[in-house]
Order: sequence, then C-alpha cells, then structure tokens
Amino acid sequence: ETGVTQTPRHLVMGMTNKKSLKCEQHLGHNAMYWYKQSAKKPLELMFVYNFKEQTENNSVPSRFSPECPNSSHLFLHLHTLQPEDSALYLCASSQEGRGQAFFGQGTRLTVV
Amino acid sequence: AQSVTQPDIHITVSEGASLELRCNYSYGATPYLFWYVQSPGQGLQLLLKYFSGDTLVQGIKGFEAEFKRSQSSFNLRKPSVHWSDAAEYFCAVGGGSGGSNYKLTFGKGTLLTVNP
Repeated sequence: ETGVTQTPRHLVMGMTNKKSLKCEQHLGHNAMYWYKQSAKKPLELMFVYNFKEQTENNSVPSRFSPECPNSSHLFLHLHTLQPEDSALYLCASSQEGRGQAFFGQGTRLTVV
Repeated sequence: AQSVTQPDIHITVSEGASLELRCNYSYGATPYLFWYVQSPGQGLQLLLKYFSGDTLVQGIKGFEAEFKRSQSSFNLRKPSVHWSDAAEYFCAVGGGSGGSNYKLTFGKGTLLTVNP
C-alpha cells in the first residue's frame, strides 16, 4: 500500500467506448502524474498536475483527456482509443520539490 | 533533455550471488536519482534515492547504490540476492523543466531472474 489507489485494476474496452481511469492519493501531495507503460518501452510521462493545474502534456493524443478536480484525485478519460493504446497506466503523486514519487498499482488497459 | 540508459535488458543470477545493475544518466544539473522495483502486475516501489550528500545510499531490502558524477552513473547493488528479488528494476532521473514542475525520466528497465 503506497497511499495511491487506482481503479479499476483491469479494463477492457472497445474502440468506440468511453471510459475513465481514477486515481486517488492519501498522502497530502500537491503534484500528480499519469504515466503509460507499454511492453518493451520505457515509462512515458503523459501528464503532470501541480496544485490541480496541468503543467505538462507530453504530446499526448486528444483521445486521452485528464481531469484533476482537486489535489487528491486524478482522472484519465478515454474515448475512441486504438489497440496500440493497450498498456499499463500508472498514476503517481509527489510533494512538489521533494523528488520522490509514489506510484499506484496501475490499470491494465486492453483495447479491442 | 534528461535521459537514462540501463544497458542490461535481462540479468540472471543465482540465489546468494551478488548483484549489480547498471544505470547511466544524462542531465544538465545535479540530478535526483532513483531506483524503483516492479513485480509483475504491480506498480513501482521505490528502493532508494539520491538527492545530495553521501554518494553511497542505502535503500530497502538490502539494496544500495552509488552516485558517480564523473561517470554519470548510479549503479544498484546487493551483496546477496534472494529469490524474492526477481522483478524488473527501473532507474530514473528527476528534475523540473524550470519553474516548479517535477517529473521523472525512466530507463527501459532490467529484468532480474534469480535461479535457485
């Protein structure tokens, strides 16, 4: 238990579906992140939120839409995904300026 | 731009043997350096981190790492590997792009197999 909880743990969706991934942190951190982990590739940073404001978008396609309603919750809204979007999506949080990131267990997404 | 290289994709060691996982980084300033471990189907767990000070850092589960600025390296070591250490290990370098942002850049990972 790292203090970062992701739901669901597994998700299978069709290319025309809309779904959302949820992340919640109980650590009092003010920065939250979405990472994508694909087979044979390094973890890729997707989005960064600091104090609920999006501060980084690493050229992520618009079919991924993040939302950060408060500093404890982070969502990733998914629509019209492609099979190559199948991956493990990891959420993390940190206290800005303190370095260490705490990761959730991830959501294993399969797009069919 | 920051980057991390883990030259070994897969390493196999016998239980009880020593271990060293290599990590080289590229970063324009003094980096924050991390080693994370990931078991199958799980998220990443922090093993240890280096921010400043003593270049030899101790982590959890008996791991240690040494920061060598001259070699741009941050290799992970363990004197005696246990079967439960079998997992994938990721080296990461952290730093902001200016201002107050903070993000990690990861290496591709090294998969560790432990033989009985």
